[in-house]
Order: sequence, then structure tokens, then C-alpha cells
Amino acid sequence: DTAVSQTPKYLVTQMGNDKSIKCEQNLGHDTMYWYKQDSKKFLKIMFSYNNKELIINETVPNRFSPKSPDKAHLNLHINSLELGDSAVYFCASSKRTGGDGYTFGSGTRLTVV
Amino acid sequence: SQQGEEDPQALSIQEGENATMNCSYKTSINNLQWYRQNSGRGLVHLILIRSNEREKHSGRLRVTLDTSKKSSSLLITASRAADTASYFCATLSQGGSEKLVFGKGTKLTVNP
Repeated sequence: DTAVSQTPKYLVTQMGNDKSIKCEQNLGHDTMYWYKQDSKKFLKIMFSYNNKELIINETVPNRFSPKSPDKAHLNLHINSLELGDSAVYFCASSKRTGGDGYTFGSGTRLTVV
Repeated sequence: SQQGEEDPQALSIQEGENATMNCSYKTSINNLQWYRQNSGRGLVHLILIRSNEREKHSGRLRVTLDTSKKSSSLLITASRAADTASYFCATLSQGGSEKLVFGKGTKLTVNP
């Protein structure tokens, strides 16, 4: 049973397109996150939701919009994709905000051409 | 902004040897966590140490925390080829926003 699952695993798309990445967790966790890992392996938080409420919104272009229909799902929509958006995007969840270990998904490798 | 800084950036050892990775951070923390990332995979949580703890063990892992020096170390004893991965420390700051901030990671290679 996959704890945190992301789809798709790979995404290759052209500049200017709009794409979505989906994330689901079956752990009953209250908090979910999106992280971006760049080519140098640096991980940076983008967003965090607690029980469907946005609690962390880092300095991310407003082309990125998270949506949490329920506490088990956190999707990431990206408009007008740019070359610099190419990265691996990780979804994660935790029982409560920050206090416990995170469970990560396996990542979505986004390549913008 | 980046909080943790791992040292060394890369470490290559022989199977059976011990591997030590260090992490330094800048602000007061609530807890510090270590994660492992195998190539092309997601991160796996290894161990969490709270600010009032000094040492913690889990199997072949030993983590220490020195809040006065704002540093932590991860020791992997009797390393195996399967331990080859990148290891990241991550800190949760005291007060302020509750976000886990990751360092740049140490790439560990264990040669058989």
C-alpha cells in the first residue's frame, strides 16, 4: 500500500503549457506539503496545507496554485510553464505540522522543453 | 532560506566502515531530522531528535545534537553498499512558521 502517491511520475511538456500534479496520502495525516528539488538536489518548501487550510505559502510565482479538496489530497497546478520550472516536485505529509517526520512521495520529474 | 548545511558534501567509504555526516544550522530549533534519499527516489525519514535531547539511536544509526554549537551529526556504523544514498538534515525552527527546512545533503557512497 503506497502511503503518499503522486501522479504522474514523469511529465515532459512545452513552455507555456498548463499542467497538474496530483498527490494523495492514505495515512490519515492532517498536513500535506509540496517541495521542489532542483538540479543540485536542494529541497525547498513551496506550500503546506493543514486540514485543507493553506498555512505555508513560500515565495512562489503565482503561476503555481495548490488545491486541497480534502485532507487526503493536495494537488499542484502550474500555469504557463517556464524552462526554470523543470525540477522534481515532491509531495509529503505529516501527522501534525512540523512536529513529526514527514512521509514523502516518490516525486514527479517535470521537464519543460 | 536555507537552514542546515551538511558536511562533507560527498563521502566515499568501504563497506564495514563507519560514516559520519555533520549538519550545522543557524536558528533555534524545535527538532532536527535526518532523511535518506536513494537515487531517483523520494526521501525517507530516518530519525528525529528534539532540542532537549542530546543523542538518539536507531539500529545502526546514531544521531547527536549540540544546541550550543547548533550542530548535529549522523553516524552510520558498519556501513553496507545499500546505505549508498544522499543524506539530508532538516530543521524545524522554534516559534515562527512550522516548516521543515532542508540542507543541501551529503552524498554517501559505500563501496563493496
